[in-house]
Amino acid sequence: DAKTTQPPSMDCAEGRAANLPCNHSTISGNEYVYWYRQIHSQGPQYIIHGLKNNETNEMASLIITEDRKSSTLILPHATLRDTAVYYCIVRVARSGGSNYKLTFGKGTLLTVNP
Amino acid sequence: GAGVSQSPSNKVTEKGKDVELRCDPISGHTALYWYRQSLGQGLEFLIYFQGNSAPDKSGLPSDRFSAERTGGSVSTLTIQRTQQEDSAVYLCASSASGGRETQYFGPGTRLLVL
Repeated sequence: DAKTTQPPSMDCAEGRAANLPCNHSTISGNEYVYWYRQIHSQGPQYIIHGLKNNETNEMASLIITEDRKSSTLILPHATLRDTAVYYCIVRVARSGGSNYKLTFGKGTLLTVNP
Repeated sequence: GAGVSQSPSNKVTEKGKDVELRCDPISGHTALYWYRQSLGQGLEFLIYFQGNSAPDKSGLPSDRFSAERTGGSVSTLTIQRTQQEDSAVYLCASSASGGRETQYFGPGTRLLVL
C-alpha cells in the first residue's frame, strides 16, 4: 500500500471547519483513500473513504485532488468531541492478497479548542 | 447491537495467568480481525477470520496466543501464561466480507499484566 504523510498536529476552534491534509503521492490507480480517527482510550472509528470522487457523509467530507496525490478531510463544524488522532491510509481496492491488514501511521492529532 | 463490542473493557492479570478476550462483531459480518495496539504504537495485525476459519494467523506473536470463532459470529482471543510484554489494547474489527471491505472497530480490551 502507498505511504501517507500527515502533519503531526493541528488546532481548530470549536464550531469552525477542520481541514486535515494528507499526501499520498505514490498512490496507485486501484487504491482507495480511507480516514479513521481514534479518540483517546477508544478504538479506531471509521470516518469516510473514496477512490477519486469527492465524498460526503454525516461525519465529514473527503476532497481528493484530481491527480489523487493528496486529499483533505473536512469536519464542517468541529466540536470538542472531535479532538482525536486522525489517520489517513490507502488501501488496495481489489480483493485478495493481504490487503485486509490495516496499518496506521502517526496520524494528525487534531485539538479542537473552545 | 449496532457496532462491534468487546469484553472485558479492562483486564488486569498476574504474569503467568491465562486470559480470554471476547469480540462480538457487527451482525452479518463474515470477516473478523484481531489487532494489538501498544502504548503510543500503531496497529499490529494478529489474526483474520473468514467465517469460522482463520486463513491468516501470521500476526500471532507466539504459540501462547490462540483465537477461535464459533457460529460465524463471536470470537475469543486467548493468551496463555501471560507476560508483561503482552500488556496492550487488543482491538477487534469486523467487515462485511474480507479483503478490501471497510473494517469497523470495537472499543478494545485494555490488558495489563503485572
